[in-house]
Amino acid sequence: QVQLQQWGSGLLKPSETLSLTCGVYGGSLSGYYWSWIRQAPGKGLEWIGDIDHLGYTYYSPSLKSRIIISLDTSKNQFSLNLSSVTAADTGVYYCAKVSRIPAGPKWFDPWGQGTLVTVSP
Amino acid sequence: DIQMTQSPSSLSASVGDRVTITCRASQNIISYLNWYQHKPGTAPKVLIYAAYTLQSGVSTRFSASGSGTEFTLTISSLQPEDFATYYCQQSHSFPQTFGQGTKLEIK
Repeated sequence: QVQLQQWGSGLLKPSETLSLTCGVYGGSLSGYYWSWIRQAPGKGLEWIGDIDHLGYTYYSPSLKSRIIISLDTSKNQFSLNLSSVTAADTGVYYCAKVSRIPAGPKWFDPWGQGTLVTVSP
Repeated sequence: DIQMTQSPSSLSASVGDRVTITCRASQNIISYLNWYQHKPGTAPKVLIYAAYTLQSGVSTRFSASGSGTEFTLTISSLQPEDFATYYCQQSHSFPQTFGQGTKLEIK
Protein backbone atom coordinates (compact mmCIF):
# COMPACT_ATOMS: atom_id res chain seq x y z
CA GLN A 1 0.00 0.00 0.00
CA VAL A 2 1.64 3.20 -1.19
CA GLN A 3 1.76 6.06 1.30
CA LEU A 4 2.81 9.63 0.64
CA GLN A 5 4.41 11.90 3.20
CA GLN A 6 5.15 15.50 2.38
CA TRP A 7 7.21 18.25 3.96
CA GLY A 8 8.48 21.73 3.22
CA SER A 9 8.40 25.44 3.93
CA GLY A 10 5.19 26.58 5.60
CA LEU A 11 5.68 30.34 6.02
CA LEU A 12 6.91 32.50 3.18
CA LYS A 13 7.21 36.16 2.36
CA PRO A 14 5.94 37.55 -0.94
CA SER A 15 8.34 36.95 -3.84
CA GLU A 16 9.95 33.94 -2.15
CA THR A 17 9.92 30.41 -3.56
CA LEU A 18 7.69 27.70 -2.15
CA SER A 19 9.44 24.32 -1.91
CA LEU A 20 7.67 21.10 -1.00
CA THR A 21 8.77 17.48 -1.25
CA CYS A 22 6.67 14.31 -1.26
CA GLY A 23 8.17 10.98 -0.27
CA VAL A 24 6.72 7.79 -1.70
CA TYR A 25 6.71 4.82 0.68
CA GLY A 26 5.68 1.24 0.03
CA GLY A 27 5.98 1.57 -3.71
CA SER A 28 8.08 2.92 -6.54
CA LEU A 29 7.84 6.07 -8.62
CA SER A 30 8.20 3.90 -11.71
CA GLY A 31 5.26 3.57 -14.02
CA TYR A 32 3.12 6.28 -12.53
CA TYR A 33 2.30 9.96 -12.67
CA TRP A 34 2.61 12.08 -9.53
CA SER A 35 0.68 15.26 -8.83
CA TRP A 36 0.48 18.41 -6.79
CA ILE A 37 -2.91 19.88 -5.88
CA ARG A 38 -3.76 22.85 -3.67
CA GLN A 39 -6.69 24.39 -1.84
CA ALA A 40 -6.85 28.08 -1.00
CA PRO A 41 -8.71 29.03 2.20
CA GLY A 42 -12.45 28.65 1.69
CA LYS A 43 -11.96 27.55 -1.90
CA GLY A 44 -12.07 24.32 -3.85
CA LEU A 45 -9.31 22.06 -5.09
CA GLU A 46 -6.94 23.20 -7.84
CA TRP A 47 -4.65 20.91 -9.83
CA ILE A 48 -1.12 22.34 -10.04
CA GLY A 49 0.78 19.84 -12.14
CA ASP A 50 1.99 16.30 -12.77
CA ILE A 51 5.29 14.56 -13.35
CA ASP A 52 5.70 11.08 -14.76
CA HIS A 53 8.33 8.54 -13.75
CA LEU A 54 10.56 9.63 -16.64
CA GLY A 55 10.47 13.23 -15.51
CA TYR A 56 8.07 14.61 -18.10
CA THR A 57 6.00 17.40 -16.59
CA TYR A 58 2.51 18.79 -17.18
CA TYR A 59 1.66 22.11 -15.59
CA SER A 60 -1.51 24.08 -15.01
CA PRO A 61 -1.57 26.87 -17.61
CA SER A 62 -2.38 29.40 -14.91
CA LEU A 63 0.75 28.54 -12.90
CA LYS A 64 3.08 27.29 -15.63
CA SER A 65 5.42 30.27 -15.62
CA ARG A 66 6.22 29.84 -11.91
CA ILE A 67 6.28 26.05 -11.39
CA ILE A 68 8.95 23.43 -11.46
CA ILE A 69 8.08 19.84 -10.51
CA SER A 70 11.02 17.47 -10.30
CA LEU A 71 11.78 13.87 -9.47
CA ASP A 72 14.50 12.19 -7.39
CA THR A 73 14.31 8.51 -8.16
CA SER A 74 17.23 7.68 -5.86
CA LYS A 75 15.21 8.98 -2.91
CA ASN A 76 11.82 7.92 -4.27
CA GLN A 77 10.42 11.42 -3.95
CA PHE A 78 9.20 14.31 -6.04
CA SER A 79 9.15 18.02 -5.39
CA LEU A 80 7.29 21.24 -6.15
CA ASN A 81 8.89 24.65 -6.49
CA LEU A 82 6.60 27.65 -6.96
CA SER A 83 8.42 30.93 -7.44
CA SER A 84 7.42 34.53 -6.76
CA VAL A 85 4.67 33.63 -4.33
CA THR A 86 1.97 36.08 -3.30
CA ALA A 87 -0.83 35.95 -0.76
CA ALA A 88 -2.95 34.27 -3.44
CA ASP A 89 -0.69 31.21 -3.13
CA THR A 90 -1.65 30.70 0.51
CA GLY A 91 -3.36 27.40 1.12
CA VAL A 92 -2.96 23.71 1.76
CA TYR A 93 -0.82 21.87 -0.76
CA TYR A 94 -1.22 18.14 -1.37
CA CYS A 95 0.82 15.61 -3.26
CA ALA A 96 -0.94 12.63 -4.80
CA LYS A 97 -0.37 9.57 -6.92
CA VAL A 98 -2.25 9.36 -10.19
CA SER A 99 -4.01 6.05 -10.48
CA ARG A 100 -5.43 5.14 -13.86
CA ILE A 101 -7.06 2.65 -16.15
CA PRO A 102 -4.60 2.16 -19.05
CA ALA A 103 -5.46 4.66 -21.79
CA GLY A 104 -8.51 5.60 -19.76
CA PRO A 105 -9.73 7.57 -16.77
CA LYS A 106 -7.35 8.61 -14.03
CA TRP A 107 -7.83 9.73 -10.47
CA PHE A 108 -5.82 10.89 -7.47
CA ASP A 109 -5.14 8.17 -4.90
CA PRO A 110 -3.59 8.19 -2.39
CA TRP A 111 -2.90 11.73 -1.21
CA GLY A 112 -0.27 13.14 1.10
CA GLN A 113 -1.33 14.61 4.41
CA GLY A 114 -1.22 18.20 3.17
CA THR A 115 1.04 21.11 4.03
CA LEU A 116 -0.31 24.52 5.02
CA VAL A 117 1.60 27.26 3.25
CA THR A 118 1.10 30.85 4.34
CA VAL A 119 2.44 33.80 2.39
CA SER A 120 2.63 36.91 4.54
CA PRO A 121 4.87 40.00 4.61
CA ASP B 1 -10.78 24.53 -19.60
CA ILE B 2 -13.72 22.27 -18.81
CA GLN B 3 -15.90 23.83 -16.11
CA MET B 4 -17.34 21.49 -13.50
CA THR B 5 -20.45 22.74 -11.72
CA GLN B 6 -21.81 21.01 -8.66
CA SER B 7 -25.25 21.42 -7.16
CA PRO B 8 -26.17 22.14 -4.55
CA SER B 9 -23.22 24.05 -3.09
CA SER B 10 -24.39 23.09 0.38
CA LEU B 11 -26.89 20.65 1.74
CA SER B 12 -28.35 20.00 5.18
CA ALA B 13 -29.53 16.48 5.89
CA SER B 14 -30.18 14.08 8.74
CA VAL B 15 -28.65 10.74 9.61
CA GLY B 16 -30.47 8.10 7.61
CA ASP B 17 -31.42 10.43 4.75
CA ARG B 18 -30.73 9.65 1.11
CA VAL B 19 -28.92 12.48 -0.64
CA THR B 20 -27.89 13.14 -4.21
CA ILE B 21 -25.25 15.56 -5.48
CA THR B 22 -25.08 16.54 -9.13
CA CYS B 23 -22.02 17.46 -11.19
CA ARG B 24 -22.28 18.96 -14.66
CA ALA B 25 -19.41 19.31 -17.11
CA SER B 26 -19.24 22.11 -19.67
CA GLN B 27 -18.18 19.57 -22.32
CA ASN B 28 -18.59 15.84 -22.91
CA ILE B 29 -16.19 14.00 -20.59
CA ILE B 30 -17.55 10.53 -21.34
CA SER B 31 -16.95 8.66 -18.07
CA TYR B 32 -13.80 10.47 -16.93
CA LEU B 33 -15.36 11.67 -13.70
CA ASN B 34 -14.27 11.05 -10.12
CA TRP B 35 -15.81 11.84 -6.73
CA TYR B 36 -13.84 12.72 -3.58
CA GLN B 37 -14.78 13.17 0.06
CA HIS B 38 -12.90 15.82 2.02
CA LYS B 39 -13.02 16.35 5.75
CA PRO B 40 -11.30 19.32 7.46
CA GLY B 41 -7.69 18.64 8.38
CA THR B 42 -7.46 15.47 6.34
CA ALA B 43 -6.51 14.60 2.79
CA PRO B 44 -9.26 14.16 0.22
CA LYS B 45 -10.25 10.54 -0.38
CA VAL B 46 -11.47 9.08 -3.66
CA LEU B 47 -14.88 7.46 -3.37
CA ILE B 48 -15.78 6.77 -6.98
CA TYR B 49 -13.62 6.75 -10.12
CA ALA B 50 -14.47 6.45 -13.81
CA ALA B 51 -18.01 7.72 -13.15
CA TYR B 52 -19.41 4.77 -11.20
CA THR B 53 -16.64 2.44 -9.93
CA LEU B 54 -16.55 2.25 -6.14
CA GLN B 55 -13.02 2.56 -4.75
CA SER B 56 -11.94 -0.47 -2.73
CA GLY B 57 -12.81 -0.11 0.93
CA VAL B 58 -15.46 2.57 0.40
CA SER B 59 -18.89 1.91 1.85
CA THR B 60 -21.55 0.64 -0.52
CA ARG B 61 -23.77 3.47 0.79
CA PHE B 62 -22.01 5.47 -1.93
CA SER B 63 -23.00 5.05 -5.54
CA ALA B 64 -22.68 7.14 -8.66
CA SER B 65 -23.92 7.29 -12.19
CA GLY B 66 -23.81 9.39 -15.31
CA SER B 67 -21.89 9.94 -18.49
CA GLY B 68 -21.26 12.73 -20.94
CA THR B 69 -21.98 15.95 -19.11
CA GLU B 70 -24.20 15.00 -16.18
CA PHE B 71 -23.23 12.90 -13.20
CA THR B 72 -24.65 12.12 -9.77
CA LEU B 73 -23.31 10.88 -6.46
CA THR B 74 -25.82 9.28 -4.11
CA ILE B 75 -25.42 8.41 -0.45
CA SER B 76 -28.15 5.93 0.38
CA SER B 77 -28.42 6.32 4.15
CA LEU B 78 -26.35 9.08 5.69
CA GLN B 79 -24.10 8.16 8.58
CA PRO B 80 -22.42 10.64 10.94
CA GLU B 81 -19.05 10.08 9.28
CA ASP B 82 -20.44 11.11 5.87
CA PHE B 83 -20.75 14.78 6.76
CA ALA B 84 -17.98 16.36 4.69
CA THR B 85 -17.39 18.27 1.47
CA TYR B 86 -17.68 16.35 -1.77
CA TYR B 87 -15.89 17.24 -5.01
CA CYS B 88 -16.20 15.97 -8.53
CA GLN B 89 -13.19 16.05 -10.85
CA GLN B 90 -12.77 15.46 -14.58
CA SER B 91 -9.71 13.79 -16.06
CA HIS B 92 -10.83 13.83 -19.70
CA SER B 93 -9.17 17.02 -20.83
CA PHE B 94 -6.13 19.04 -19.90
CA PRO B 95 -6.07 20.70 -17.43
CA GLN B 96 -7.88 18.47 -14.97
CA THR B 97 -10.52 20.43 -13.11
CA PHE B 98 -12.60 20.07 -9.97
CA GLY B 99 -16.10 21.18 -9.11
CA GLN B 100 -16.46 23.87 -6.48
CA GLY B 101 -17.56 21.38 -3.85
CA THR B 102 -20.78 20.45 -2.04
CA LYS B 103 -20.71 20.85 1.72
CA LEU B 104 -22.92 18.29 3.41
CA GLU B 105 -23.95 19.38 6.89
CA ILE B 106 -25.98 17.84 9.67
CA LYS B 107 -29.52 19.15 9.95
